[in-house]
Amino acid sequence: AQTVTQSQPEMSVQEAETVTLSCTYDTSESDYYLFWYKQPPSRQMILVIRQEAYKQQNATENRFSVNFQKAAKSFSLKISDSQLGDAAMYFCALRRDKIIFGKGTRLHILP
Amino acid sequence: DTAVSQTPKYLVTQMGNDKSIKCEQNLGHDTMYWYKQDSKKFLKIMFSYNNKELIINETVPNRFSPKSPDKAHLNLHINSLELGDSAVYFCASSHHDRVGTEAFFGQGTRLTVV
Repeated sequence: AQTVTQSQPEMSVQEAETVTLSCTYDTSESDYYLFWYKQPPSRQMILVIRQEAYKQQNATENRFSVNFQKAAKSFSLKISDSQLGDAAMYFCALRRDKIIFGKGTRLHILP
Repeated sequence: DTAVSQTPKYLVTQMGNDKSIKCEQNLGHDTMYWYKQDSKKFLKIMFSYNNKELIINETVPNRFSPKSPDKAHLNLHINSLELGDSAVYFCASSHHDRVGTEAFFGQGTRLTVV
């Protein structure tokens, strides 16, 4: 069975600071993909970043980067220079034959 | 150009009624999904269809019946609605054999059962 765990229900960060959201997962597969999705109050699900499990290099998308530790089954998201528009629910997701999600972390940006 | 569109966006109905939610994607994907997001924001997969064939059914009550007339459409019909069915329902689509591609989501349908 595949599982995704996000242990931080809520986090806050000062605008322009850096924040890291945690995610751990479990799967018996060796080939899989990991994603972070953002869900703002509009409720639209938006892909933030993806990571291929076979790649050791951590993915980066502008201010968003991941720390992928395959042996530890850890996949954290770092947001640099936080902006007010980053306030949202963030979901970690694992894909093999289906995409399953963690329970989410609500991120607050403090002005 | 809407990629994955769901209708309606909001649905308020009484207990015991039957309702449908429609979903269409224009991305050329061969796999479509229904997810349920409860009041605590937990996203749980309900069904997955690949080329009109049901491939995932996640222990959902049989009051929920998905129907895929073609690979661009996946509708969700719910019979005898209950209060606990109140949630946001998301349709999504992706490529089945390209594991690395993400799912694209519709805007969600907020279902309220009163």
